Order: sequence, then structure tokens, then C-alpha cells
Amino acid sequence: AQTVTQSQPEMSVQEAETVTLSCTYDTSESNYYLFWYKQPPSRQMILVIRQEAYKQQNATENRFSVNFQKAAKSFSLKISDSQLGDTAMYFCASRQGGSEKLVFGKGTKLTVNP
Amino acid sequence: DADVTQTPRNRITKTGKRIMLECSQTKGHDRMYWYRQDPGLGLRLIYYSFDVKDINKGEISDGYSVSRQAQAKFSLSLESAIPNQTALYFCATSDFIETQYFGPGTRLLVL
Repeated sequence: AQTVTQSQPEMSVQEAETVTLSCTYDTSESNYYLFWYKQPPSRQMILVIRQEAYKQQNATENRFSVNFQKAAKSFSLKISDSQLGDTAMYFCASRQGGSEKLVFGKGTKLTVNP
Repeated sequence: DADVTQTPRNRITKTGKRIMLECSQTKGHDRMYWYRQDPGLGLRLIYYSFDVKDINKGEISDGYSVSRQAQAKFSLSLESAIPNQTALYFCATSDFIETQYFGPGTRLLVL
């Protein structure tokens, strides 16, 4: 069965600094996809970044990048130049190829301090 | 981004009442989903649909039913609401590229 674990319930960072959120996953499949979603106080679930397991290159979206370590089943999110608007819950999620089930971790609450 | 809309955004109801949550999308995606979010538990899949004729149960479908009225519309019903169905409900859509896009959520309180 797929599982996703986020070991940091809460984190904080100073504005303009860099923070890394951790995520580990477990799957028996070779074809899968990994995602980071952001949920600000508005409740909206917003896709931050996605990674296909077959791609060795780490995904990057502006200030957001991932460190995908396939052998270790690790998928961490790095936020550079943190901004106050980055304050949110961040969820790591995985989806096996051919499956409709998106499995979420329990989330990390990130606070960016001025 | 208003590609996925949910109505109502907030709802208070009483135990035993039947309620319906609605979801509409303009993304043109075939796949639609309903999730439930509880504090500390992340999101869990209730039902999903590949098209109007294909509806499937997720991991927590008991007490819920769905209707796919059209490609763009997917409704979730609670036939007889109970307090432990108090939660935040999300609709999502997906294209063949595997990414799911979420609506703004409906906060439901069952008294």
C-alpha cells in the first residue's frame, strides 16, 4: 500500500531565508508521481510542484524546487527566498501510475516570519 | 483560478438531514473526485469518476453517494448526515497527465 509521511508537523522560517520540508513515501510501483500542494488559510489546495518518478532531474518552479531521492524514497521541498505569502499548510502526495488514488501526508504547517 | 467551483462554500445542517454538495469544472477534464479533509488526517478519497457512466468508490465511501450529471458536474450527497461527517470537502479534476486540480472546498458542520 502507498504511504506518505511528513515528519515535521510545524516549521517556521524568516522572510527571505530558505526552508526545506521533508517527505518520505513508500510504494511498490516503479511508475508513480509525486506532488507538493499548498493550502493557505483560504483553504484552497494549490499545486506547487510535481515530479514524475521516471525523471531523474529534480523539478523546479520558480522559488520552489524538490530533492527527489528515488532510492531513499525521499521527496523534499525547498522554498528559497521565503515570502510571507508562503505561510500555509504543505502536503506531500503520491499517485501510482494507473491508479486514481492520490495519497496525502498529514501536512506541515509552515509559518514565514517578518 | 475558478476552473473548479464548489457550492455551497459553507453549510450547517442537522443530524439526519440529506444534503448535496455540488462541483462544476470548466477544465474539460474527464476525471473528477471527491475528497474529505479532517484535521491531522490529510485528505481521503470518497468517490471518483472517469466519465458520466463510470463511478467508483474510494477509501471512505460509506454514508456518501455521488452523481455525475455531465462531464462538468459531479455532486456528493450525504443521505442522512451525522456529526462525524463534519469536515472540509474538496472536489478535484484530473487530466491524463496525472495532476489533480482542486476546488476551493466546502466546509460542512453537522450538528
